Amino acid sequence: QVQLVQSGAEVKKPGSSVKVSCKASGGTFSGYIVSWVRQAPGQGPEWMGGIIPSFGSANYAQKFQGRFTITTDESMSTIDMELSSLRSEDTAVYYCARVREQCSSTSCALDHWGQGTLVTVTS
Amino acid sequence: DIQMTQSPSTLSAYVGDRVTITCRASQSISDWLAWYQQKPGKAPKLLIYKASTLETGVPSRFSGSGSGTEFTLTISSLQPDDFATYYCQEYESYSWLTFGGGTKVEIK
Repeated sequence: QVQLVQSGAEVKKPGSSVKVSCKASGGTFSGYIVSWVRQAPGQGPEWMGGIIPSFGSANYAQKFQGRFTITTDESMSTIDMELSSLRSEDTAVYYCARVREQCSSTSCALDHWGQGTLVTVTS
Repeated sequence: DIQMTQSPSTLSAYVGDRVTITCRASQSISDWLAWYQQKPGKAPKLLIYKASTLETGVPSRFSGSGSGTEFTLTISSLQPDDFATYYCQEYESYSWLTFGGGTKVEIK
């Protein structure tokens, strides 16, 4: 059974960067496609971007272009996201989520989710 | 960008009620629509994909319908475990996806 395990909560100052990790428990991300989704307090989810680790190719929502990066390590055991130039509006729970196996792009239904990582941006 | 609008934003119902949630897309998305259930402090859980296909393990009281711009999620007989917030999500584009604003189902 696929399990995505994320790194712990972070508190950051405005203008700084945050990195959140997502690990495939008991395996690797080979053959998977993974998206990052965030959810601000009391709001609906917001898609940020996704990556096809086998190809190393990532795509990003226009809103986050230039300050959001998704990477994977060579072993494809961990996928990281980094968000820079943080502002208070970036305070949210950040989720990694696996795209359904039958899909071939980052845009699809998301069938397995990490537990979420709370990122708080405060001065 | 495609906008997804859910209604109502909040719904109060009794256990055993039939409940329907609507999701409208700002342009046609064919049947590229998913529905999720989310409980407080938890990640969303996939219920339905491709507008009407039930995810493995999801109870059959959940069903989805629609195509183009109008979609519905129906719970045929609301159970205590179903009180949660529900989101629709489109994935018509190859390179992005959009969620609706959510519908909170509360106990009446």
